Parts: sequence; C-alpha cells; structure tokens
Amino acid sequence: AQRVTQPEKLLSVFKGAPVELKCNYSYSGSPELFWYVQYSRQRLQLLLRHISRESIKGFTADLNKGETSFHLKKPFAQEEDSAMYYCALSLSGSARQLTFGSGTQLTVLP
Amino acid sequence: DAGITQSPRYKITETGRQVTLMCHQTWSHSYMFWYRQDLGHGLRLIYYSAAADITDKGEVPDGYVVSRSKTENFPLTLESATRSQTSVYFCASRDKNWDQPQHFGDGTRLSIL
Repeated sequence: AQRVTQPEKLLSVFKGAPVELKCNYSYSGSPELFWYVQYSRQRLQLLLRHISRESIKGFTADLNKGETSFHLKKPFAQEEDSAMYYCALSLSGSARQLTFGSGTQLTVLP
Repeated sequence: DAGITQSPRYKITETGRQVTLMCHQTWSHSYMFWYRQDLGHGLRLIYYSAAADITDKGEVPDGYVVSRSKTENFPLTLESATRSQTSVYFCASRDKNWDQPQHFGDGTRLSIL
C-alpha cells in the first residue's frame, strides 16, 4: 500500500535561514508527488508538483526515486512561510486520488 | 479559488444526529473528493466521485454517505454522527485531464458533542 511519511511534525527556523521539509514515500507504481501548503485556517493550496519542476515562492523540491524522497527546500526562509505543509502522492488510477503525509508545521521566527 | 465552495463553514451538532456537508464547484470538474483533516493524520480520503452517479470509497468511508446527482454538487452525509467524526472536512475537485491537480474548498469545521 502507498504511504507518505513526513517525519517532522514541527519545524522552527529563523528568518533568513535555510529550511528543508522532509518527505518520503512508498509506492509500487510510478509516483507523482505534490507539496500543498495551508496557511492558518485557510484552504490547502498547491505549492509544487514534481512534474512541473517549478520554483514557487522560492521553494523547490526534487524527486529522488532512489531514496524515495521529495524534500521541500528554500534557501532563505521568510516569516510569511509559516504554515502547515503537506506532502502528497497521487495514485496512478484514473481518479488520481491523493495520499497525504501527516504534515509539518513550519514556524519561521523573526 | 472561488470555484469551489463548502457550507456550512462551522457546524456543531450532537451524537446520533444526521448532518450533511455541502460542496459545490463551478468548474464542471469531473472528479470530486471528500477528505477529513485530523492532527497526526494529515488528510484522509473519505469518498470520491468520477462523475455524476459514480462514487467510490476512500480510506475512511465508514459512517459516511455521499451522492452525486449533479456534476457540480457532492454532499457528504453523516447519518448518525459520532464524536470520532469531529474533524475539519475538505472538499476538492479536479479536471478529468490526468495532469490537473486537485483544488480545495475552505473546509467545514464540524464538532460533535
């Protein structure tokens, strides 16, 4: 069965410091991975998806199939980055349901 | 995105009561999904639908019922609410094209006393 693991429930960094949010997955099919962000009491928003290889708000993520990881990185954290971050795996069926990790609450300290 | 709306935003009810959460999308997306969000579990899929009159179970469907008589609406019903169903519920939709991501509503915060 598919699984997404985010080992850090809470992560605090200082403004201007690099940040890395870890995500590991297990899936027998061809993985498609996403990062979603949820600011306080707001809806989830798509941040990144591995197939687009974009950089959004300074964040990047690379799919490493050998290590089954999709870590989210930003070289210089900003206070407005404080939010809950979810890593998600899309299943290969037609509905492409998402399996989410348990989330990492990022706090960027001034 | 204003294209997907959930109602109510907040709901308090009692155990044993029936409660229905509404989800409406204006994009004519084929796929719609219901998730619940709980601390320590992230989001878990309850039910999803590929089109009108086509629904399927997700990871945690017990105690929930869905219907989809129209493409734009996907209501979620708790037939006899239990305290373990206290959660934040998110609806999402996705276009039928394989490369399109899911778009989420604002969520409904449901408390069952």
